[in-house]
Amino acid sequence: KAGVTQTPRYLIKTRGQQVTLSCSPISGHRSVSWYQQTPGQGLQFLFEYFSETQRNKGNFPGRFSGRQFSNSRSEMNVSTLELGDSALYLCASSSRGQSLPAGELFFGEGSRLTVL
Amino acid sequence: QQQVKQSPQSLIVQKGGISIINCAYENTAFDYFPWYQQFPGKGPALLIAIRPDVSEKKEGRFTISFNKSAKQFSLHIMDSQPGDSATYFCAATYSGAGSYQLTFGKGTKLSVIP
Repeated sequence: KAGVTQTPRYLIKTRGQQVTLSCSPISGHRSVSWYQQTPGQGLQFLFEYFSETQRNKGNFPGRFSGRQFSNSRSEMNVSTLELGDSALYLCASSSRGQSLPAGELFFGEGSRLTVL
Repeated sequence: QQQVKQSPQSLIVQKGGISIINCAYENTAFDYFPWYQQFPGKGPALLIAIRPDVSEKKEGRFTISFNKSAKQFSLHIMDSQPGDSATYFCAATYSGAGSYQLTFGKGTKLSVIP
């Protein structure tokens, strides 16, 4: 069974640009969450989508947005990039509503964004 | 406000020794406490998890101890091996609202030396 796939794995942008990251969850998983990982702040929750609906949102500015498609694939977008947005962006999927407990997330390897 | 505090930040243990990582939480609504293991270049992977209705859970060399009254939980790695060298994150969540949001500690980088 394929795991969570994130693309691109690495990207470099400049301040003011925008970026779109993509996530394909494990087959059958309908919940996709996004986390930002930085050395200083650790792993911080961005948002969660289930059945194309945003279910929960973390404490990030409106420049961070996301969406989920009918096939459960998800994208997140960051507009007007700032230097502080440099981070590893992790996507996680879960079979929400089934037997797995709420905390059992399956993470991808992340997209490492560098903002210059 | 950091809701899950993790210590130490880094830990060096001799092969065969016991690694202990501690976490404390503030939100009494949390009802599920997973630990994740992350190797360089990889995403975190669930290692072991516990609910507050039990005080201890063991899976192989990994044990979680949970103290509900103190709002603390810890990970013990027995007979630590070089292959255990990774960053460990404790986390907490509450399932009542159907949220899949995890609140993570800031991580502990474990190095097991031969």
